[in-house]
Amino acid sequence: GESVGLHLPTLSVQEGDNSIINCAYSNSASDYFIWYKQESGKGPQFIIDIRSNMDKRQGQRVTVLLNKTVKHLSLQIAATQPGDSAVYFCAEFFYGQNFVFGPGTRLSVLP
Amino acid sequence: KAGVTQTPRYLIKTRGQQVTLSCSPISGHRSVSWYQQTPGQGLQFLFEYFSETQRNKGNFPGRFSGRQFSNSRSEMNVSTLELGDSALYLCASSLGGGLVEQYFGPGTRLTVT
Repeated sequence: GESVGLHLPTLSVQEGDNSIINCAYSNSASDYFIWYKQESGKGPQFIIDIRSNMDKRQGQRVTVLLNKTVKHLSLQIAATQPGDSAVYFCAEFFYGQNFVFGPGTRLSVLP
Repeated sequence: KAGVTQTPRYLIKTRGQQVTLSCSPISGHRSVSWYQQTPGQGLQFLFEYFSETQRNKGNFPGRFSGRQFSNSRSEMNVSTLELGDSALYLCASSLGGGLVEQYFGPGTRLTVT
């Protein structure tokens, strides 16, 4: 598979525990934020998004929190499973510009 | 519904050569974006095409170019290849028109020797 990032920060969690992946973004004018999951050998896969006028959004087993005061985004995964092991990227988007991706965090789920 | 497809999946080229990569978006999607992914720089935006027009462009040299056809298929071209162009090139499609949810293809792994 592809080596997405050889020196990414790594988060190791026990199977069944909750995971929290953090991301700092740069542009206070960003309109939209997205979390992607990338498994080895595959392209990024959309997980969940949140608009800048929201501070929380929930999906299936995932929750994204947005703190505009400190320009911080987090992804919470409930009851982490082995299939959640991957690299997770946050991305910010502002209309008229383009996506800017964070460096990524590698999530490792321990049995 | 078929996903985003990219061809070829793997490619080896020599410095100074040029290369063309192809991307077929999801049916009905009019926006196609290209990204370069490397271990050192992460995911970087190259450009976006919508209805055959380049709508956004990242900070890459002019050696990187692209185009989109009337059926929304897109090609990316890199001329005068350098060793540093070795990367995974990802294509993503979306409906466009302000809808930003993107679907990525598996990528083309380009190795420049």
